[in-house]
Amino acid sequence: ETGVTQSPTHLIKTRGQQVTLRCSSQSGHNTVSWYQQALGQGPQFIFQYYREEENGRGNFPPRFSGLQFPNYSSELNVNALELDDSALYLCASSLVGLAGLYEQYFGPGTRLTVT
Amino acid sequence: AQSVTQPDIHITVSEGASLELRCNYSYGATPYLFWYVQSPGQGLQLLLKYFSGDTLVQGIKGFEAEFKRSQSSFNLRKPSVHWSDAAEYFCAVGQTSQKLVFGQGTRLTINP
Repeated sequence: ETGVTQSPTHLIKTRGQQVTLRCSSQSGHNTVSWYQQALGQGPQFIFQYYREEENGRGNFPPRFSGLQFPNYSSELNVNALELDDSALYLCASSLVGLAGLYEQYFGPGTRLTVT
Repeated sequence: AQSVTQPDIHITVSEGASLELRCNYSYGATPYLFWYVQSPGQGLQLLLKYFSGDTLVQGIKGFEAEFKRSQSSFNLRKPSVHWSDAAEYFCAVGQTSQKLVFGQGTRLTINP
């Protein structure tokens, strides 16, 4: 059973550019959540995808968008990058069933630096 | 709104000593509570979780946590720490299938 994987590991972009981060969920999981972790802070929820549709969103502007594919992998897209977007971006997968109980398993993250 | 407070930003303990990391939460209903650990430059690893039932939960690596509804707390404990326990620890609260809300984290340093 493979865990959650993310790519790339590190990324350096210039302010105003666009970036796409990728996540492969753990085998058997149907839900992917994305979090932003600024240096010295706890992770903050960006959004969640369930069955290819957005299923909840945190306090992030529309330039943060995402996709989930039929194989449950996911992408996080950020447009018009700002310096404050520099952070570790974490993807987490989980299995949401009828009971609604779940636990999220995190990938290693993508470190994004905006200059 | 949900919130999590970890009052201790940094804790230092000696190897072999006991450990307690504090977590207080604010949540309108019965919370789902989690503790995660993060090593430098790494993702988060789930240590333990509380959904319902027994208020003392056991996790991996010898950690345990106790849910106290009256105090809105979910403190993490370990009877004897090892040098490899040095890391950042995050408490989180969540609903059944929605977002996790994390605390600011507690950085644990182990003295030899």
